[in-house]
Amino acid sequence: KAGVTQTPRYLIKTRGQQVTLSCSPISGHRSVSWYQQTPGQGLQFLFEYFSETQRNKGNFPGRFSGRQFSNSRSEMNVSTLELGDSALYLCASSQQRTSKNTEAFFGQGTRLTVV
Amino acid sequence: AQSVTQLDSHVSVSEGTPVLLRCNYSSSYSPSLFWYVQHPNKGLQLLLKYTSAATLVKGINGFEAEFKKSETSFHLTKPSAHMSDAAEYFCVVSDDGAGTASKLTFGTGTRLQVTL
Repeated sequence: KAGVTQTPRYLIKTRGQQVTLSCSPISGHRSVSWYQQTPGQGLQFLFEYFSETQRNKGNFPGRFSGRQFSNSRSEMNVSTLELGDSALYLCASSQQRTSKNTEAFFGQGTRLTVV
Repeated sequence: AQSVTQLDSHVSVSEGTPVLLRCNYSSSYSPSLFWYVQHPNKGLQLLLKYTSAATLVKGINGFEAEFKKSETSFHLTKPSAHMSDAAEYFCVVSDDGAGTASKLTFGTGTRLQVTL
């Protein structure tokens, strides 16, 4: 069974540009969550999608957005990139919304560098 | 609100000696607690999880953790460290109360160094 796939693995963008990251969950998983990992702030929750609906959102500005498709694949978009957006972006999938009885499986992440 | 506090940012042990990584949690609801490991340039891998069943939880690679409600702790242990255990470890809490959407809240991480 294939794991969570995130593309691309590495990305370099210029300040002010926008970027789209992709996450393909494990087959059969309907929940996809996104996290930002930085040395200063650690791992922070961005948002969660379940069956194409955003069910929860972290404390990030509106420049961060996402969506989920009918096949459960998810994309996140960051507009007007800032230097501080440089981070490892991790995607996690689970069969249901993250709960006691489900495990979240993480992808290897997309390393975004903003210059 | 939920939170976890990892009491040590860095732990160094010798190969073959016990490992103890400390975690305290705070949660408004009955929490689910997890330990994840992250090796360099890799994603996160679940080591073990507590979901209100047995308080002593056994995970992969010889790791285990004990849920102590009275101490609000969920420390990770391993009897004998191996060089391959060197990585970053995250204590994580998830709330599942009252039908609200849940999310994982991560601790700041503990870097485990294993020396010969």
